[in-house]
Amino acid sequence: GENVEQHPSTLSVQEGDSAVIKCTYSDSASNYFPWYKQELGKRPQLIIDIRSNVGEKKDQRIAVTLNKTAKHFSLHITETQPEDSAVYFCAARYNFNKFYFGSGTKLNVKP
Amino acid sequence: DAGVTQSPTHLIKTRGQQVTLRCSPKSGHDTVSWYQQALGQGPQFIFQYYEEEERQRGNFPDRFSGHQFPNYSSELNVNALLLGDSALYLCASSLEVNEQYFGPGTRLTVT
Repeated sequence: GENVEQHPSTLSVQEGDSAVIKCTYSDSASNYFPWYKQELGKRPQLIIDIRSNVGEKKDQRIAVTLNKTAKHFSLHITETQPEDSAVYFCAARYNFNKFYFGSGTKLNVKP
Repeated sequence: DAGVTQSPTHLIKTRGQQVTLRCSPKSGHDTVSWYQQALGQGPQFIFQYYEEEERQRGNFPDRFSGHQFPNYSSELNVNALLLGDSALYLCASSLEVNEQYFGPGTRLTVT
């Protein structure tokens, strides 16, 4: 069935370092992969997304890469800042707009 | 331009009761999806409404039902509440098969 696995579950980095979060999906028909940032007590916010016809996408300090053959995609945050601390979720779209989410990565950026 | 809104913010119910949660999509969006987010977990897809019909459904029992109105707003109904239904219920809207935007959620506590 549809499944999205996300690793690691927690990630602690020093301010200025890079952070990488990885996800794998099960359905090769998936064609859209968003990443959400959720701060404590707030709604998930879309931070970047990638479609299956693209291998990489960047937006300032954030980038996402997609390997369709291996069915995995990753979020890269460079020059991390304390305000990047949050829970990050990956997701994969199956069948129209049906999304399955990973279990989340709690990122802690230490000043 | 108002984003996705949900009501109420918080709700406390007793086991066996019924609850109705409401969602107004972002202006211009015609598709509404509902998710259940348990503490420390990623959002779990409940169902999706488009053109006032349920288009997709996740692995949730029939106790979970919904409705979409002509103005695209939506309701989530849960009957015969169980303790395990305690969670944050998120509504997300989109324009057909495009990126989703989440509402702030309704925190449901079942005692």
